[in-house]
Amino acid sequence: ETGVTQSPTHLIKTRGQQVTLRCSSQSGHNTVSWYQQALGQGPQFIFQYYREEENGRGNFPPRFSGLQFPNYSSELNVNALELDDSALYLCASRAAGGSGANVLTFGAGSRLTVL
Amino acid sequence: DQQVKQNSPSLSVQEGRISILNCDYTNSMFDYFLWYKKYPAEGPTFLISISSIKDKNEDGRFTVFLNKSAKHLSLHIVPSQPGDSAVYFCAAKGGRNTGGFKTIFGAGTRLFVKA
Repeated sequence: ETGVTQSPTHLIKTRGQQVTLRCSSQSGHNTVSWYQQALGQGPQFIFQYYREEENGRGNFPPRFSGLQFPNYSSELNVNALELDDSALYLCASRAAGGSGANVLTFGAGSRLTVL
Repeated sequence: DQQVKQNSPSLSVQEGRISILNCDYTNSMFDYFLWYKKYPAEGPTFLISISSIKDKNEDGRFTVFLNKSAKHLSLHIVPSQPGDSAVYFCAAKGGRNTGGFKTIFGAGTRLFVKA
């Protein structure tokens, strides 16, 4: 059983640029969500995808967007990067139903630094 | 709007003693609570959970207690081991009519277990 894998692990961008982060869900999981973890804070929910459609969103502006593919892999895109976007971005997958539906399996994250 | 609060940023405990991590929440519609553990350079991993219909759940050295009237839960680790040193996140989920698709995290408590 493979876990959740994310790429890249680290990246540096400048203000105004765009970034794409990638995630492969755990085998058997069809729901993926993205979280932003700023320094000293807990993960903050960005959005969730199920069956290739966004079905839940947190308090993040539209320049944060995503995609889910038929193989349940996912992307997080952030446009017009701001300094405050510097954070660890975590991808998490879970089963859509059953006993595992409440438990998230996280990747190790992509650390984004915006200069 | 911080719905899940962990008011202790850090906790230091001697090996073999009990570690007690606390968490408060404000939304009475939360019906499922989880604890995640995070080591440096890794994503959070699920530790233990409890449904709102229970007041205690035990798994080996880990026990979670839920006091719904006080909107408070705690994680007990007995006995504490140096390998338990990590950041612990309290998290909560609501039912479908409360945006149950997202998990809300506290800011975390860093546990140090001294040998």
